Amino acid sequence: GAVVSQHPSWVICKSGTSVKIECRSLDFQATTMFWYRQFPKQSLMLMATSNEGSKATYEQGVEKDKFLINHASLTLSTLTVTSAHPEDSSFYICSARGPTEQFFGPGTRLTVL
Amino acid sequence: GENVGLHLPTLSVQEGDNSIINCAYSNSASDYFIWYKQESGKGPQFIIDIRSNMDKRQGQRVTVLLNKTVKHLSLQIAATQPGDSAVYFCAAMDSSYKLIFGSGTRLLVRP
Repeated sequence: GAVVSQHPSWVICKSGTSVKIECRSLDFQATTMFWYRQFPKQSLMLMATSNEGSKATYEQGVEKDKFLINHASLTLSTLTVTSAHPEDSSFYICSARGPTEQFFGPGTRLTVL
Repeated sequence: GENVGLHLPTLSVQEGDNSIINCAYSNSASDYFIWYKQESGKGPQFIIDIRSNMDKRQGQRVTVLLNKTVKHLSLQIAATQPGDSAVYFCAAMDSSYKLIFGSGTRLLVRP
């Protein structure tokens, strides 16, 4: 089946730094990718919809200046957490919309010290 | 918008028994529903889906039932195995292909 990868799988950073997370669709082109955030023992919460070649659409309550999304190609979307703080520590998961279904990446664990 | 909720946060079953996980949704316009399995530290894994023009769909050891009248769907797992232990989410897709996830049910399989 289709595969979506994320890099890195985990990252630890100091408060105030920026972290970039990559989401790649490995064997299909994805015009639309989605970014989710999941806190421990909670569900996935949609953060934004990433469309290739256009600006991302953010869900209510998600700061677009803090969570920068770039969908520069049909196989790559990036999420940059700017000036990260401990409350941004979470599990970030992307999904890519394929021809028949959405495929999820394995997630990136972000820990901000 | 869509609200998708689950009735039970944790379900404990004996190995070999059948498991039933329930989910309610609020938006009658939702026409596509998916069940996902998530193991610790991993992304969601597709289990089975169903469209609103169907009441039931079967896969390998899994069955999804959809009751549009009461906006309820369920996931049935036959002969539950230890490898089925995970958190299960239902999700509803809206017209813009966004997936709205339910709160999740943790399935524990007792040996």
